[in-house]
Amino acid sequence: SQQGEEDPQALSIQEGENATMNCSYKTSINNLQWYRQNSGRGLVHLILIRSNEREKHSGRLRVTLDTSKKSSSLLITASRAADTASYFCATDGPYLGAGSYQLTFGKGTKLSVIP
Amino acid sequence: NAGVTQTPKFQVLKTGQSMTLQCAQDMNHNSMYWYRQDPGMGLRLIYYSASEGTTDKGEVPNGYNVSRLNKREFSLRLESAAPSQTSVYFCASSEGVGDSSYEQYFGPGTRLTVT
Repeated sequence: SQQGEEDPQALSIQEGENATMNCSYKTSINNLQWYRQNSGRGLVHLILIRSNEREKHSGRLRVTLDTSKKSSSLLITASRAADTASYFCATDGPYLGAGSYQLTFGKGTKLSVIP
Repeated sequence: NAGVTQTPKFQVLKTGQSMTLQCAQDMNHNSMYWYRQDPGMGLRLIYYSASEGTTDKGEVPNGYNVSRLNKREFSLRLESAAPSQTSVYFCASSEGVGDSSYEQYFGPGTRLTVT
């Protein structure tokens, strides 16, 4: 039961350019997270944004959340070859009880940064 | 800190064989998860354990069993492997009780092929 859907599915840019990835979701959420996955590795958490936040920064990463449009974007500024990876958004999924929701992942955006 | 470790890294099984995937975390996390990742499908939750002594089904539990051996260890068992279980399996853990407000830490994955 997928909640978030990333767009585009794949993105190719030159080193130094900015990369923007989007995530749309269907039902209201409490939190949204972004993860990175390098080829052949596990996912690594990048940033968490809560439903009452509109923007969050972490180094070269900027995440925005628009709850009225049910969408989020991840901006990577001044991209580097090492940013080549797949990026996933994750949001509230099925209710687990006691106020908890399962974290549900989208299918990801594959980013290629060309040196 | 090793974080989340998984063994084995690679495995090839014949249809009908059984095996157990091992996972351990050294972060004193309450919750642990097993996911499978297939091309074009994103991550899908197989089973989770919100706390030591409890386990629950996720989105795709059929054909799998789990054991939360103690707070550190969470194993996934395939009793009779099928080609449809060919996938990459990830174990993850989080501090919170299966809540989307907590980031998840992932292991490096086990690449399983069933012939």
